[in-house]
Amino acid sequence: NAGVTQTPKFRILKIGQSMTLQCAQDMNHNYMYWYRQDPGMGLKLIYYSVGAGITDKGEVPNGYNVSRSTTEDFPLRLELAAPSQTSVYFCASSEAGQGFPMSYEQYFGPGTRLTVT
Amino acid sequence: GENVEQHPSTLSVQEGDSAVIKCTYSDSASNYFPWYKQELGKGPQLIIDIRSNVGEKKDQRIAVTLNKTAKHFSLHITETQPEDSAVYFCAASKANAGGTSYGKLTFGQGTILTVHP
Repeated sequence: NAGVTQTPKFRILKIGQSMTLQCAQDMNHNYMYWYRQDPGMGLKLIYYSVGAGITDKGEVPNGYNVSRSTTEDFPLRLELAAPSQTSVYFCASSEAGQGFPMSYEQYFGPGTRLTVT
Repeated sequence: GENVEQHPSTLSVQEGDSAVIKCTYSDSASNYFPWYKQELGKGPQLIIDIRSNVGEKKDQRIAVTLNKTAKHFSLHITETQPEDSAVYFCAASKANAGGTSYGKLTFGQGTILTVHP
């Protein structure tokens, strides 16, 4: 069981370039999430998905796009990269909630460190 | 939306001492409160969580307490060890019976815990 995998681990982009951050999970989780982590700021939710074909915006979606064609994969697309998108990006997945109030254990990937210059 | 404040931002203790990290939340409808530990170069990992229908939960050396009236919750680590050194994040979620929160978490800013041997 590889859990949640992310590629690449590091990337440097020039302003205006585009790229796709890859995320895959092998736990058959329906829920998947993308976060960004800025120094001293905690994690902010960018987009999330509750199943194949279903995605929705999180707290900071501007400048990003996602798709979910399969249960396993949840890529994050950056169009026209800007310095403000320099951050560490984490993908996570979870099962549907358990109990009430519902609890959700999110499993995180190792992250992608992106620098836009 | 929900806002989660976490204190302190850094905490330094001697091995064997106790460590306490506190979080406050703004949305009284939040009812699920997990704590994540992030080691250097890795993604966060769930260490303990608490639901709003419980006031305290323990798991070996770690415990979490919740005060719904004051809207704050705390992580307590006893008999700290050097391997407890990491960044700790609290989070809050409104997980309702319909499951419409989909596990969306609002994170605190993080606490860097250093345990000196």
